[in-house]
Amino acid sequence: EQQVQQSPASLVLQEGENAELQCSFSIFTNQVQWFYQRPGGRLVSLLYNPSGTKQSGRLTSTTVIKERRSSLHISSSQITDSGTYLCAMASSGSWQLIFGSGTQLTVMP
Amino acid sequence: DAGVTQTPRHEVAEKGQTIILKCEPVSGHNDLFWYRQTKIQGLELLSYFRSKSLMEDGGAFKDRFKAEMLNSSFSTLKIQPTEPKDSAVYLCASSLQGNTEVFFGKGTRLTVV
Repeated sequence: EQQVQQSPASLVLQEGENAELQCSFSIFTNQVQWFYQRPGGRLVSLLYNPSGTKQSGRLTSTTVIKERRSSLHISSSQITDSGTYLCAMASSGSWQLIFGSGTQLTVMP
Repeated sequence: DAGVTQTPRHEVAEKGQTIILKCEPVSGHNDLFWYRQTKIQGLELLSYFRSKSLMEDGGAFKDRFKAEMLNSSFSTLKIQPTEPKDSAVYLCASSLQGNTEVFFGKGTRLTVV
């Protein structure tokens, strides 16, 4: 069973639309981190959000620990937001980050 | 740039060769990770160090992969001997300690022919 499930697998938006990415976990976690990656690019940390709501610019992440899920909201999407968004978690007492398969976001002009 | 530094950025090796990848973690970070990334498997953990001590040696990757951390600011990943299936991007990451934010390097793209 995959421990980190991300949805949707891919998403196509028009520039200016909002995006909602979801991540669910098969076990309880106290570490959730969202990353962004362009093809051939570095994994860039977007938000470290083990619980509650965190915001950075146009990005808002909400993690609900007891429901074992986290979401990433991108407001007013831009073409440069295109790429893969990865969710990662580590279970309580563990050190190993486990990654989801990612959501491929394409923002069209 | 005070982030995680990896060298080389690209490496081409012939099957059977030994290659060594290098990583410098963020200064002051105690945890260091090596991951492998492929399109099919996604991100797979190879090794994990805490304060220079090897905590995880990668299970299925043990036989030909060896990571070392001789000091707190430098780590190597040796693959010996290389095989074509090792072609992937190798990522190094570090974090302060425990369950804290993890930062990744740009990676080394390895091609084994």
